[in-house]
Amino acid sequence: EVQLAESGGGLVHPGGSLRLSCAASGFTFSFYWMSWVRQTPGKGLEWVASIGEEGGEKYYVESVKGRFTISRDNTKNSLSLQVRSLRAEDTAMYYCARGPPKNYGPFDSWGLGTLVIVSS
Amino acid sequence: DIQMTQSPSTLSASVGDRVTITCRASQSINNWLAWYQQKPGKAPNLLIYKASNLESGVPSRFSGSGSGTEFTLTISSLQPDDFATYYCQHYDTPSQTFGQGTKVEVK
Repeated sequence: EVQLAESGGGLVHPGGSLRLSCAASGFTFSFYWMSWVRQTPGKGLEWVASIGEEGGEKYYVESVKGRFTISRDNTKNSLSLQVRSLRAEDTAMYYCARGPPKNYGPFDSWGLGTLVIVSS
Repeated sequence: DIQMTQSPSTLSASVGDRVTITCRASQSINNWLAWYQQKPGKAPNLLIYKASNLESGVPSRFSGSGSGTEFTLTISSLQPDDFATYYCQHYDTPSQTFGQGTKVEVK
């Protein structure tokens, strides 16, 4: 069974940083593109970042470029999102999501999410 | 970036109704479109990919159609478990975007 478990969220002041993590199990992690998707409380979904199966390709939504960094460790079946210079508008539930093998695409498995609150 | 616009934002329906949700892309997305269902407090669940392909395990009352810039999600006979919010998503480019969502509520 595919499982994705996010951690690392919390309350942080504007301008602060966090490192979000996603532990993957139940599938061959190194075969799949992985992504982060966020959802503002009571609002819709926003794709944040994606990374290719080997980590060489990375893509970000414009609003987080230069502030967020996606990475993966295929030896540890782990996905990360380093978030810096946080703003109030980054407050959201952050989901780890699995994409298809070998290319970006729809997300067929999701974690339960980790909540990031940016507030003074 | 490609913009995705769903309509309606809210849909009131009864069990047994045929329900249709529309998603329009700001430019052609070559059928690289997915549909998700999300219930309160839960992560989204993939229903349809490549516009019309049913994800494994999804009931056959769900179907997707369309091409180019206009797509629809149809629920042939609404069931109690189907009251939820539905999102479309394009993946024509790595900068994937979602529609704003359509909430299907009890009439």
